[in-house]
Amino acid sequence: QQQVKQSPQSLIVQKGGISIINCAYENTAFDYFPWYQQFPGKGPALLIAIRPDVSEKKEGRFTISFNKSAKQFSLHIMDSQPGDSATYFCAAIGVRGSYQLTFGKGTKLSVIP
Amino acid sequence: DGGITQSPKYLFRKEGQNVTLSCEQNLNHDAMYWYRQDPGQGLRLIYYSQIVNDFQKGDIAEGYSVSREKKESFPLTVTSAQKNPTAFYLCASNTGGTTDTQYFGPGTRLTVL
Repeated sequence: QQQVKQSPQSLIVQKGGISIINCAYENTAFDYFPWYQQFPGKGPALLIAIRPDVSEKKEGRFTISFNKSAKQFSLHIMDSQPGDSATYFCAAIGVRGSYQLTFGKGTKLSVIP
Repeated sequence: DGGITQSPKYLFRKEGQNVTLSCEQNLNHDAMYWYRQDPGQGLRLIYYSQIVNDFQKGDIAEGYSVSREKKESFPLTVTSAQKNPTAFYLCASNTGGTTDTQYFGPGTRLTVL
């Protein structure tokens, strides 16, 4: 039972374009949503995170949009660069008693020059 | 130089053998986690520990065992009971709060021959 669904599986974007990755969740107990970036052969690193009491959070070229009623959230990478080429994971956790991060299956982003 | 170290980076095992993966952190974090990563599957939680001498099963604990005798160390043993152990194993740690960032180590790639 997959609690966080992520799409697309892979994404190819031209340099300078906008990369958009979408996630949807079912468990209404989730109330913290981090995004991780992973380069090949490395561990994931936290990119940006959001709580559902805000609809958008921006850090540099990275923006999370959150739609609580639809139980969906998305990552937008503006002005995508070849160095952004990596696998991106959305995740969710319920702060009320759970210590388990539930991950989406990941999106492999390739930014081509 | 603070961080999480995992060793070895690559590990080869014959079928029927137990093998132990090392995870050490010098971040003074209370909580430590073990994840398994398979292509296209995201990260799945194997075990986690919030405090020394205590640990809980994650979603896929069968065939694995852990110990937490020291705050900085959380070794994972992949036993012969694990039917499909070939994977990328990631260790993480945080201060223990559910919304505290989990910091990941560089991973160990285990291959069963």
